[in-house]
Amino acid sequence: DAKTTQPNSMESNEEEPVHLPCNHSTISGTDYIHWYRQLPSQGPEYVIHGLTSNVNNRMASLAIAEDRKSSTLILHRATLRDAAVYYCTAPNQGGKLIFGQGTELSVKP
Amino acid sequence: SAVISQKPSRDICQRGTSLTIQCQVDSQVTMMFWYRQQPGQSLTLIATANQGSEATYESGFVIDKFPISRPNLTFSTLTVSNMSPEDSSIYLCSVGGGWGMNTEAFFGQGTRLTVV
Repeated sequence: DAKTTQPNSMESNEEEPVHLPCNHSTISGTDYIHWYRQLPSQGPEYVIHGLTSNVNNRMASLAIAEDRKSSTLILHRATLRDAAVYYCTAPNQGGKLIFGQGTELSVKP
Repeated sequence: SAVISQKPSRDICQRGTSLTIQCQVDSQVTMMFWYRQQPGQSLTLIATANQGSEATYESGFVIDKFPISRPNLTFSTLTVSNMSPEDSSIYLCSVGGGWGMNTEAFFGQGTRLTVV
């Protein structure tokens, strides 16, 4: 299972873009990169995932480095509701998600 | 998608007793996962619950302490046995996105356990 490294915390202003980095240098060539977030007192929820190409969905964008050793989750316009702990993970082929410490994002009005 | 229901949502238990947490999924899934989240910490995988075979435990977790049942493809239970205050945590079940993880995983809302 690939080990992931993320900054412990980040701050953003409301309505501004946020770039959340993740290092997963030991990822294998066939492991997808997943991002989840956990709002206070809730279970984690899926944000986005990708393999090699950059991905977009209604919540965020995922930029994956060409060597796949790192990725960046992009929230295009942070809102107060985006304040959460964000986890990147590279589940193995068996589907196990191993979580690192994640990045606690705070959003200032 | 998958909707996961966990029961109970919270409980306060006496040390030395056991608590069984139920996890119900609204669709059939091959693998279910149980996690523990200690206060202020990230999620730690306890075990993978496989239907028709024994659960597979991660390092540091043993069957005697966390017995798991998986009677069918939509249901699993996790028991926290002989509880101590150190077992106070949130316990979550999850279903994976399938082999290769090209789809998302889903989580229950968790069971908040306090041992006194």
